[in-house]
Amino acid sequence: GEDVEQSLFLSVREGDSSVINCTYTDSSSTYLYWYKQEPGAGLQLLTYIFSNMDMKQDQRLTVLLNKKDKHLSLRIADTQTGDSAIYFCAENNQGGKLIFGQGTELSVKP
Amino acid sequence: GAVVSQHPSWVICKSGTSVKIECRSLDFQATTMFWYRQFPKQSLMLMATSNEGSKATYEQGVEKDKFLINHASLTLSTLTVTSAHPEDSSFYICSATSGRADTQYFGPGTRLTVL
Repeated sequence: GEDVEQSLFLSVREGDSSVINCTYTDSSSTYLYWYKQEPGAGLQLLTYIFSNMDMKQDQRLTVLLNKKDKHLSLRIADTQTGDSAIYFCAENNQGGKLIFGQGTELSVKP
Repeated sequence: GAVVSQHPSWVICKSGTSVKIECRSLDFQATTMFWYRQFPKQSLMLMATSNEGSKATYEQGVEKDKFLINHASLTLSTLTVTSAHPEDSSFYICSATSGRADTQYFGPGTRLTVL
């Protein structure tokens, strides 16, 4: 079945790079997404990548997609304390629904 | 662009009452809206998919008579939790898509607490 897996926690120091990893199972997904959720808030779309792309860069964010291994990663350069949040990766299935990972809680220490 | 609002942001009600939550796309027409439920420290669970002018499609295990969804226009969907009980207490989040890149834009969520 469809499944998206993420590690639950990541802790980095301010100024370092953060890399959040995600694996998925549905090879027919057209798009893969990264969302950010701050405490008590909804989900903010950070970026998405089309399935035929390998990489997408947007300011401090770099998304890498390895379609063969069904592996997606989000790199945040120069991580700041304001980046502390839960990050969800998601894939869309053929029905247009989003399948979410469990979320990775990023903690940025000063 | 692509802003989705929800109202109310939080609500506390007594057991047995019904609660209505609104989801609006503010600057685009939403072909489809989704309703999710999120428990603390967990991922989002899709409850139902709603298309304007048609009946919502509910996920397995979600009671359609308990969670009434109305999608009356391309910018508004409502979720009514009928006869709410403490186990319905949760964070309810809606999302809307305009069809572009199948991207869903999420509302800020509604915290429901049933006493």
